[in-house]
Amino acid sequence: GESVGLHLPTLSVQEGDNSIINCAYSNSASDYFIWYKQESGKGPQFIIDIRSNMDKRQGQRVTVLLNKTVKHLSLQIAATQPGDSAVYFCAETGNTDKLIFGTGTRLQVFP
Amino acid sequence: EPEVTQTPSHQVTQMGQEVILRCVPISNHLYFYWYRQILGQKVEFLVSFYNNEISEKSEIFDDQFSVERPDGSNFTLKIRSTKLEDSAMYFCASSELAATDTQYFGPGTRLTVL
Repeated sequence: GESVGLHLPTLSVQEGDNSIINCAYSNSASDYFIWYKQESGKGPQFIIDIRSNMDKRQGQRVTVLLNKTVKHLSLQIAATQPGDSAVYFCAETGNTDKLIFGTGTRLQVFP
Repeated sequence: EPEVTQTPSHQVTQMGQEVILRCVPISNHLYFYWYRQILGQKVEFLVSFYNNEISEKSEIFDDQFSVERPDGSNFTLKIRSTKLEDSAMYFCASSELAATDTQYFGPGTRLTVL
């Protein structure tokens, strides 16, 4: 069946450290993966995406890694800042219109 | 930077009443979506819309729900007879060329059914 799940519900990091948020997916037909950030009371905000023909993509302070062999996706945030505190969702889609979201990981950044 | 907008930000209604949630997608986007998020849970797909018709819907999107693009800019979600369990955040999203393009989300409408 289709499912996207997250390994850790809450991640606490110190300001300046790197953060790694993980996600597992089960639909091997999925070929597009996205990380969204959601702050309290707001809509999901696009962070970075990756297609299945790649295994790594970098943005500004963020890197997404895709391991299709084990169906694993991760988001790395370098030099985590207080403004990075939010819930992070991975989402996937295949040959369908809908995004399937994971349950979310709350990132807490401490000074 | 263009963004998806939604109104109202918060809607309170009585059970059994009809509500219409409104969205203005990004202007050059062709695909439109509604998602919902029950408090503390993950975001769930409701429906996608392209070329003035529903292209995909979830099992949540039953006969009580309908979508419409009444003009060139608005995209609406109507719930005909609200139930307590319809209380949630409703997010509109749009993407440019295809469902596998990046979907950009609006700020959401919080629907509270009493």
